[in-house]
Amino acid sequence: DAGVTQSPTHLIKTRGQHVTLRCSPISGHKSVSWYQQVLGQGPQFIFQYYEKEERGRGNFPDRFSARQFPNYSSELNVNALLLGDSALYLCASSTGTGGEKLFFGSGTQLSVL
Amino acid sequence: DAKTTQPPSMDCAEGRAANLPCNHSTISGNEYVYWYRQIHSQGPQYIIHGLKNNETNEMASLIITEDRKSSTLILPHATLRDTAVYYCIVRAHNAGNMLTFGGGTRLMVKP
Repeated sequence: DAGVTQSPTHLIKTRGQHVTLRCSPISGHKSVSWYQQVLGQGPQFIFQYYEKEERGRGNFPDRFSARQFPNYSSELNVNALLLGDSALYLCASSTGTGGEKLFFGSGTQLSVL
Repeated sequence: DAKTTQPPSMDCAEGRAANLPCNHSTISGNEYVYWYRQIHSQGPQYIIHGLKNNETNEMASLIITEDRKSSTLILPHATLRDTAVYYCIVRAHNAGNMLTFGGGTRLMVKP
């Protein structure tokens, strides 16, 4: 079975632009979470979606948004990019929201110039 | 979620046991201890979790002290492929999928 897949793997944008990152969860998993990992730090929680509804949000500005589709895949959108948005963006899937283990993808490396 | 404290780095000889400590002195009664690791250029990988009893699976063993204020992850026979950053996380079972990662321990397994 395929694991969590993320696209693209690498992306270069300039300040002020918009970016969309995509994630496909493991088959059968209904929950998708997004994390941001700045170089040298642990991942930081951004959003969780379950059954197409937002179930949790971390301490990120409104420039960050996400959605989940009927097939449980998800998109993370970031508007008005700042240099500080440069990071590895990780997607994780799980069967539900009750403390199950998370399965992470390999991430999208975003560089903002 | 309770805060965790881990040493920033550790070395281990290949084939020997790696013992990674974690302090979580403010852990609540309903919080579990989870361990994930992150190998370079990959996403974090689940290793093991427990509440108060010691746990073992095919990857590792988790030893939790009786007062639950600290725990140790044990990799019984470390290999070079175990070189990674290991994260100890405490999390309530009803906390959804929000994991609070700290700085972790960078484990270097040496030949």
